[in-house]
Amino acid sequence: NAGVTQTPKFQVLKTGQSMTLQCAQDMNHEYMSWYRQDPGMGLRLIHYSVGAGITDQGEVPNGYNVSRSTTEDFPLRLLSAAPSQTSVYFCASSQSRDGGFFGYTFGSGTRLTVV
Amino acid sequence: AQSVTQLDSHVSVSEGTPVLLRCNYSSSYSPSLFWYVQHPNKGLQLLLKYTSAATLVKGINGFEAEFKKSETSFHLTKPSAHMSDAAEYFCVVSEMAETSYDKVIFGPGTSLSVIP
Repeated sequence: NAGVTQTPKFQVLKTGQSMTLQCAQDMNHEYMSWYRQDPGMGLRLIHYSVGAGITDQGEVPNGYNVSRSTTEDFPLRLLSAAPSQTSVYFCASSQSRDGGFFGYTFGSGTRLTVV
Repeated sequence: AQSVTQLDSHVSVSEGTPVLLRCNYSSSYSPSLFWYVQHPNKGLQLLLKYTSAATLVKGINGFEAEFKKSETSFHLTKPSAHMSDAAEYFCVVSEMAETSYDKVIFGPGTSLSVIP
């Protein structure tokens, strides 16, 4: 099925470890983004990309890195995990900057725990 | 500055009764407004979107929302709740920014419980 695929679904890291959360979409969307979801705070934008080779920071970028070498893939890297990064991470894509007619398509999320 | 307020963190209704989830926003410009639904352990799914074409917007699964500029509100309603409507609902505001990506703000969410 067409959509946004995130891996892994669950991950436990030790403080200081690094890892990459994978995100891939097969809808040929130019716009992709990473959000984190924390209780009572809705979703907050970490990084976004408006096309291959173009990325920019969102609201909460510290401690995270992204790259966009292809239209399909938009990985999120945690450089040195901290307990404050315990969260649920969502990748989203859209056909236009405002979400377009169909809005943003979200992946099913990665639940990350940092101990 | 942009902001989104969802007035109730939790709403509980009986099956078959109306649903009202409240959302107020502030925006400097003419925003796009969305409602998304998130079922447990799932990603977010678009319910409906307002983009100034009509103030009453119909979405999926019988939901609709009315944009009231004078009240800066975008409340979500459904005439008759179903058990499958139990989920978290997010009101979202998007407005064009100077960057190449619209500024998107999510509300904190409203958890809807449906009692049999």
